[in-house]
Amino acid sequence: ETGVTQSPTHLIKTRGQQVTLRCSSQSGHNTVSWYQQALGQGPQFIFQYYREEENGRGNFPPRFSGLQFPNYSSELNVNALELDDSALYLCASRGGGLSGDTQYFGPGTRLTVL
Amino acid sequence: AQSVTQLDSQVPVFEEAPVELRCNYSSSVSVYLFWYVQYPNQGLQLLLKYLSGSTLVKGINGFEAEFNKSQTSFHLRKPSVHISDTAEYFCAVSDMRYSTLTFGKGTMLLVSP
Repeated sequence: ETGVTQSPTHLIKTRGQQVTLRCSSQSGHNTVSWYQQALGQGPQFIFQYYREEENGRGNFPPRFSGLQFPNYSSELNVNALELDDSALYLCASRGGGLSGDTQYFGPGTRLTVL
Repeated sequence: AQSVTQLDSQVPVFEEAPVELRCNYSSSVSVYLFWYVQYPNQGLQLLLKYLSGSTLVKGINGFEAEFNKSQTSFHLRKPSVHISDTAEYFCAVSDMRYSTLTFGKGTMLLVSP
């Protein structure tokens, strides 16, 4: 069974640029969530996708957007990058639909904004 | 809405000593409770979870946690730690409907010889 994978591992961008991060969910998992983990902090919920639709969003501006594809993989897009967007971005998947109880995390993408 | 408080940002301990990492939560609805571990430059690994039933939960690597509803706590314990347990530990809660996680700020466990 393949776990959650994310790409790329590391990324360096400059302020104002746009970035796309990718996530492949664990086999059989149909719900994907994205989290932002700033240095020294716990992860913060960005949004969640179920059956290709956003279902739940944390306190993040609209320049954070996402997609989920029919194979349940997902993308996180961030426009107009700011210095404070530098963080580890974690993707998590779970089975059982919206009521599935446990999220399994990928290794993360480390984004640095200069 | 839920919130999680991890009372210690850092816990230093000697190898083979017992350890307790404290976690308190706040929620207006019933929740699931989790502990995750994060090793340097890695993602989060699930240690254990409480969904229902017995309040004492056993997880991987010899860790266990006890759910106390009256004190809204979910403290993590290990009777004897190893150097390899050095990592950041996160307590998290999720509501039972949408299962999105709310994390604490983490506790860094530092095990020395």
